[in-house]
Amino acid sequence: DIQLAQSPSFLSAFVGDRVTITCRASQGINNYLAWYQQKPGKAPKLLIYAASTLQSGVPSRFSGSGSGTEFTLTISSLQPEDFATYYCQQFKSYPLTFGQGTRLEIK
Amino acid sequence: EVQLVESGGGLVQPGVSLRLSCAASGFTFSSFFMSWVRQAPGKGLEWVANIKQDGSDKYYADSVKGRFTISRDNAQNSLYLQMNSLRVDDTAVYYCARYFRSPADSLYYVDYWGQGTLVTVSS
Repeated sequence: DIQLAQSPSFLSAFVGDRVTITCRASQGINNYLAWYQQKPGKAPKLLIYAASTLQSGVPSRFSGSGSGTEFTLTISSLQPEDFATYYCQQFKSYPLTFGQGTRLEIK
Repeated sequence: EVQLVESGGGLVQPGVSLRLSCAASGFTFSSFFMSWVRQAPGKGLEWVANIKQDGSDKYYADSVKGRFTISRDNAQNSLYLQMNSLRVDDTAVYYCARYFRSPADSLYYVDYWGQGTLVTVSS
């Protein structure tokens, strides 16, 4: 199975900050990676697919990069509505695993 | 507008069975892979199962293999998850989700999710 390790698990930041979340795969997954945002009590929302393609309707302050085993999600200038939990998911092979999540909180 | 609406969750005892349903609308259901993903209380997301457009191929997480069965009825635009021999650690919100998959374009992602249905397994 392909394991995904996100870091950090918890992140505290100010509105306006630039933040980066990393997702490392236990083996190469090409660019078969997506990022999701989840707010409490809500379903996840797709942000990025194919490692770096912004889903329609997602603000341009979100960006993704990486290929192979290391990937990043960057939020260029945090807005109040961005405080949530973020997950990566790989689609290289079954089982389709998720990272453990990164909880982003307001400082 | 794409909509996915789950139903069938509830409180059950260990060892019993439960069937979840997901009613899909707003897209051509028969053209998409579909997924079930779950989330235990206070925990992260866990992929559970996938099913191909025509139902011919099914994929499962090891944690549910042999106990859960994913199925679909394209005529009814519905997705199902039959859960047998339920265990306490199956307690979770279960999400139905649309899986976009285009191998020719190397594109794979889950783009729509339902609101989830809570399954609680407890004695």
